Amino acid sequence: DAKTTQPTSMDCAEGRAANLPCNHSTISGNEYVYWYRQIHSQGPQYIIHGLKNNETNEMASLIITEDRKSSTLILPHATLRDTAVYYCIVRPGGGSNYKLTFGKGTLLTVNP
Amino acid sequence: GAGVSQSPRYKVAKRGQDVALRCDPISGHVSLFWYQQALGQGPEFLTYFQNEAQLDKSGLPSDRFFAERPEGSVSTLKIQRTQQEDSAVYLCASSLSVEAQYFGPGTRLLVL
Repeated sequence: DAKTTQPTSMDCAEGRAANLPCNHSTISGNEYVYWYRQIHSQGPQYIIHGLKNNETNEMASLIITEDRKSSTLILPHATLRDTAVYYCIVRPGGGSNYKLTFGKGTLLTVNP
Repeated sequence: GAGVSQSPRYKVAKRGQDVALRCDPISGHVSLFWYQQALGQGPEFLTYFQNEAQLDKSGLPSDRFFAERPEGSVSTLKIQRTQQEDSAVYLCASSLSVEAQYFGPGTRLLVL
C-alpha cells in the first residue's frame, strides 16, 4: 500500500476552516484516499473517501490534486469537538481492500 | 441505531493470565475486524472475518492470539498467557460494504 505523510500536529481556531494535508506520492491508480479521525478514548470514525474527484459530505470536503499525489481534508467550520487525531489512509480497490493501514496521523487541536 | 460495542472496556490482567475480549458488531454487518493500538500509535490490523470465516489473520502477533466468530455475529479475541507487551487498546470494527468500517470504543488491556 502507498505510504502517507502527514504533519504531526496542527492548530485551528474555533469557527475557522481546518485544512489537513496529506502526501501520498506513491499512490497507484486503483488506490483510494480515506480519512478517519479518532477522538480521545474513542474508536476511529470514518469521515470521507475519494479516488480522484473532490468529494463532500456532511462532515468534510476532500480535495485531491490532479496528479493524486496529495490531498487535503477540509473541515469548513471547526468546533472544539473536532479536536482529534486525523488519519489519511491509502487503500487499494478490489478484493484486498478490507485492511486499513493507519499511520500516526495529525493531531488537530481546535482552540476557543 | 446501536453501534459496535465491546466488553469489557477495561481489563487488568496479571502476566500469564488468559483474557477474552468481546465484540458485538452492528447487526447485519458481514465483515468484522480486530485492530491493536499501542499508546501513541495508530491502530494496527490483526484479523478479518467475513461472516464466520476468518479470511485473514496475518496481523496476529503470535500464536497466543486467537479470534473466533462462530455464528457470524459476535466475535471474541482471546489472548493466552498475556505478556506486558500485549498491553494496548483492542479495537473491533464492522462493515457492510468496503467503504467504511465502524469502530467500537475499544478494550483497554493492561498487563501487569
